[in-house]
Amino acid sequence: DTEVTQTPKHLVMGMTNKKSLKCEQHMGHRAMYWYKQKAKKPPELMFVYSYEKLSINESVPSRFSPECPNSSLLNLHLHALQPEDSALYLCASSPTGRGRGYTFGSGTRLTVV
Amino acid sequence: SQELEQSPQSLIVQEGKNLTINCTSSKTLYGLYWYKQKYGEGLIFLMMLQKGGEEKSHEKITAKLDEKKQQSSLHITASQPSHAGIYLCGAERKGGGADGLTFGKGTHLIIQP
Repeated sequence: DTEVTQTPKHLVMGMTNKKSLKCEQHMGHRAMYWYKQKAKKPPELMFVYSYEKLSINESVPSRFSPECPNSSLLNLHLHALQPEDSALYLCASSPTGRGRGYTFGSGTRLTVV
Repeated sequence: SQELEQSPQSLIVQEGKNLTINCTSSKTLYGLYWYKQKYGEGLIFLMMLQKGGEEKSHEKITAKLDEKKQQSSLHITASQPSHAGIYLCGAERKGGGADGLTFGKGTHLIIQP
């Protein structure tokens, strides 16, 4: 299995809702990432998990809460989002260490209404 | 922080013609990645370059890394409609690995029949 699987593919949520995005990989990668991509912009790093521990938080608002329950699974919990949080959320994974390659999922298109 | 500048921002090429996309870094490149993205979809890995002077090819796409110039180029020969999309260069954020990628703003490639 050489894929990163993200669910759901599309999500519409209200500003008072709580929802979660899910990311799964079975390549044995021990680093996993969340990126946010606004329209016509490049992906921007949000969080990095290394060996199931949060190693990088790029000053992301607390309404985004990441979780890494095990080495194959990465979640992003969403609560009280704003319309400007609407974006494509991409998950990626990689082996640890430089130059080992990053595999991206197909993303979750999030719309906050 | 590292910045990647891609040029051109957009490119319209007649089918069958060759084209080149450039990516210049503000800092030393430890690892340079090229991805392709269709609008609203995930990132498709094309190539990874690590060493100065390194050149890799896959089908009609060739990428080169000039470490001294902190620059990489992506060359497509005899372009086809399937080459259309957004091309993103990404650089390892730090030297140690598992820190994610910083991306350029992308080059939007349109292939005209």
